[in-house]
Amino acid sequence: AQSVAQPEDQVNVAEGNPLTVKCTYSVSGNPYLFWYVQYPNRGLQFLLKYITGDNLVKGSYGFEAEFNKSQTSFHLKKPSALVSDSALYFCALLYNFNKFYFGSGTKLNVKP
Amino acid sequence: EPEVTQTPSHQVTQMGQEVILRCVPISNHLYFYWYRQILGQKVEFLVSFYNNEISEKSEIFDDQFSVERPDGSNFTLKIRSTKLEDSAMYFCASSDSPPNTEAFFGQGTRLTVV
Repeated sequence: AQSVAQPEDQVNVAEGNPLTVKCTYSVSGNPYLFWYVQYPNRGLQFLLKYITGDNLVKGSYGFEAEFNKSQTSFHLKKPSALVSDSALYFCALLYNFNKFYFGSGTKLNVKP
Repeated sequence: EPEVTQTPSHQVTQMGQEVILRCVPISNHLYFYWYRQILGQKVEFLVSFYNNEISEKSEIFDDQFSVERPDGSNFTLKIRSTKLEDSAMYFCASSDSPPNTEAFFGQGTRLTVV
């Protein structure tokens, strides 16, 4: 069965420090993985995706993610966090081109 | 930048009433989706739509739900007889050619059933 897990409900980090938001997945077949961000009372905004190719993918707002097939992970990273990065982050798996499986979301709090 | 638009932004309805949530996907997109998010919880898949028919639906998407693309631009979600547990944020999304292109999500319609 297909699934996405985000093991941390919340991540706290100080501004300027690196951040990591964790995601693991389970899929039969090729994984197509995405990160979305949700600001309060807003929709989901696309950050980045892994389809194939380089394991390190770069996306919007300085975010990047590393695909690790052996660990079935797709962790979101940023070298230096900003207060404005505080939001809810969702990892998602696209299966069969029809359906996104979303993780439960991780609330990122960046403190000044 | 093109975007998915949803109306209304907030709908309050009485239990048992029918509601129609409207979405205008990005114009050249071919794949359409509805998701919902109950407050503070996971984003749940409802249905996907391609080539004028449902391509996949979840267990949530029972006979009370239906989708329609009545013209070339709108994509609607109808709930025939709303229940209290249908209260959620409903998101429409569209995509051009998954997985090569990501899905673009609308701002959502907050449905409150009273």
